Amino acid sequence: EVQLVETGGGLVQPGKSLKLTCATSGFTFSTAWMHWVRQSPEKRLEWIARIKDKSNNYATDYVESVKGRFTISRDDSKSSVYLQMNSLKEEDTATYYCTAYSSLYWGQGTLVTVSS
Amino acid sequence: DVVMTQTPVSLSVAIGQPASISCKSSQSLVGTSGKTYLNWLLQRPGQSPKRLIYLVSKLDSGIPDRFSGSGSETDFTLKISRVEADDLGVYYCLQGTHFPNTFGAGTKLELK
Repeated sequence: EVQLVETGGGLVQPGKSLKLTCATSGFTFSTAWMHWVRQSPEKRLEWIARIKDKSNNYATDYVESVKGRFTISRDDSKSSVYLQMNSLKEEDTATYYCTAYSSLYWGQGTLVTVSS
Repeated sequence: DVVMTQTPVSLSVAIGQPASISCKSSQSLVGTSGKTYLNWLLQRPGQSPKRLIYLVSKLDSGIPDRFSGSGSETDFTLKISRVEADDLGVYYCLQGTHFPNTFGAGTKLELK
């Protein structure tokens, strides 16, 4: 059974940092391109970051709104992908999902609330 | 970025009746490989999105054939031949051809 489990969300003040983890099982993680997608309180979905596999040099891509603040990384030995979020803004408040295989697999999401 | 415009915003349908959702992209979704990376997702209340259709018209495993996808270039449609109670939720289109991937704003399917 495929599982993606996101953890690390919570309430954080503007300007602070948070690191999300997505632990996976049930599929070949090492060759999967992994993505983070977020859903705003208004239910809008936004793709925010992608990390490719080793054969593609673990190349990363980001949406413009998080570039320079967020960093995606992965640990193939742990079948996990991470999202380091720095300089958080109130507009980053959302449920964060990790996804794989062209949005076939989704986690349950973790809620990040940025507020003073 | 490619803008995905979904219509209608909401849809009220009686059980057993058909439903149709449109998704239009601001540019062609045909990739350099010749493939069109257009997916349809359903998010039921309180759940994560679930992919129903990929590459415009291919049904994911376990998705009933009441669902069908069609379209090309910039104009795409999701059809449900006979709505069932389990189909309720918000439907999203998603393009994966151009960077960054972008979603439609969603169509909420409700029971009449």
